[in-house]
Amino acid sequence: AQSVTQLGSHVSVSEGALVLLRCNYSSSVPPYLFWYVQYPNQGLQLLLKYTTGATLVKGINGFEAEFKKSETSFHLTKPSALMSDAAEYFCAVSERAINDMRFGAGTRLTVKP
Amino acid sequence: DAGVTQSPTHLIKTRGQQVTLRCSPKSGHDTVSWYQQALGQGPQFIFQYYEEEERQRGNFPDRFSGHQFPNYSSELNVNALLLGDSALYLCASSLRQIGETQYFGPGTRLLVL
Repeated sequence: AQSVTQLGSHVSVSEGALVLLRCNYSSSVPPYLFWYVQYPNQGLQLLLKYTTGATLVKGINGFEAEFKKSETSFHLTKPSALMSDAAEYFCAVSERAINDMRFGAGTRLTVKP
Repeated sequence: DAGVTQSPTHLIKTRGQQVTLRCSPKSGHDTVSWYQQALGQGPQFIFQYYEEEERQRGNFPDRFSGHQFPNYSSELNVNALLLGDSALYLCASSLRQIGETQYFGPGTRLLVL
């Protein structure tokens, strides 16, 4: 069965610093992988997704993630954090034969001035 | 182009009551999925509707049921409400293709007293 583990429920960075949010997945087949962001009292917004092809995926707001099959990881990065990046981030996996998504528990990103 | 809409935004019920939540998908989408997001957790997949039928289901009891209408809108029904059903209920719409991006609505926050 597919599952997602997000390492670190809270991550705090300074404005301008590198953002690294970790995600490891478990799947019996090559998965589709997603990162979503959730701002307070809002729904989820897609940042980026991996389906096939290039393993480095670029998303919105300067975020990118790299699919590493050997490490079963899909970590999210951004070179320079903005105050507006403060939010909850969710990694999700969807197996190719099943069109539902399994989410991780989320990582709350705090950006300090 | 309207995105995914959900109603109501907030709801308060008492234990044992029944509740119906509503979702209108993004224009052009034919598949609706429902998720439950408890406080401080990631969304949990409840079920998915396509062509007015439940296609996949997560690990939720039969108290949770749904419906999809010919215009692709959907309802989530929860019977015999428990305190533990208090959560944010998210609706997501997509096309019926594996790995398609799911677009989320703002959610309905249900409080069971």
